[in-house]
Amino acid sequence: NAGVTQTPKFQVLKTGQSMTLQCAQDMNHNSMYWYRQDPGMGLRLIYYSASEGTTDKGEVPNGYNVSRLNKREFSLRLESAAPSQTSVYFCASTRTLPSPLHFGNGTRLTVT
Amino acid sequence: ELKVEQNPLFLSMQEGKNYTIYCNYSTTSDRLYWYRQDPGKSLESLFVLLSNGAVKQEGRLMASLDTKARLSTLHITAAVHDLSATYFCAVDDKTSGSRLTFGEGTQLTVNP
Repeated sequence: NAGVTQTPKFQVLKTGQSMTLQCAQDMNHNSMYWYRQDPGMGLRLIYYSASEGTTDKGEVPNGYNVSRLNKREFSLRLESAAPSQTSVYFCASTRTLPSPLHFGNGTRLTVT
Repeated sequence: ELKVEQNPLFLSMQEGKNYTIYCNYSTTSDRLYWYRQDPGKSLESLFVLLSNGAVKQEGRLMASLDTKARLSTLHITAAVHDLSATYFCAVDDKTSGSRLTFGEGTQLTVNP
């Protein structure tokens, strides 16, 4: 059982480049989330999808877009990367709150 | 906007000692979550607390929730080195849909 799978694990981008972070879950969960983790700031919610076909902004959505492609997959796109987007990105899913979130292993992104 | 604050942010303790991590939040909620993160790893769920007065225990960790005080505590009993990790609390503000807001995290180091 793979759980939540994120790709890639590491990525280095130059300022202005674009990329898509992929996330897939095999637990038939309804809700999916994208967080970023920066030192001393905990996890901050970028976007979430409460159910297939819906997406909503979190605390820090600027500079990002998301797509809930189907029930399994939730992708995060950076259209024009900036150094401030250097972070560790976590995807998570849950059947529905208050069931706990299951997290992927993270993507470490560096923007130079 | 929901705010979740933890203290202390850094905690260094000796094996065998007891200590408590505090999690305060700014809005009415009766859904509180605790997660653990080992260095360089993902987050794993420890506890889900769903009502005022809820108490859950697993090994040397015990979590409780006081919704009137908007406070949760994570108590560590007779700490061992294996408990060294970063601990996050998170709050589910039911009025904002499926959002889960995290605290900054408490980095715990247990020294021999």
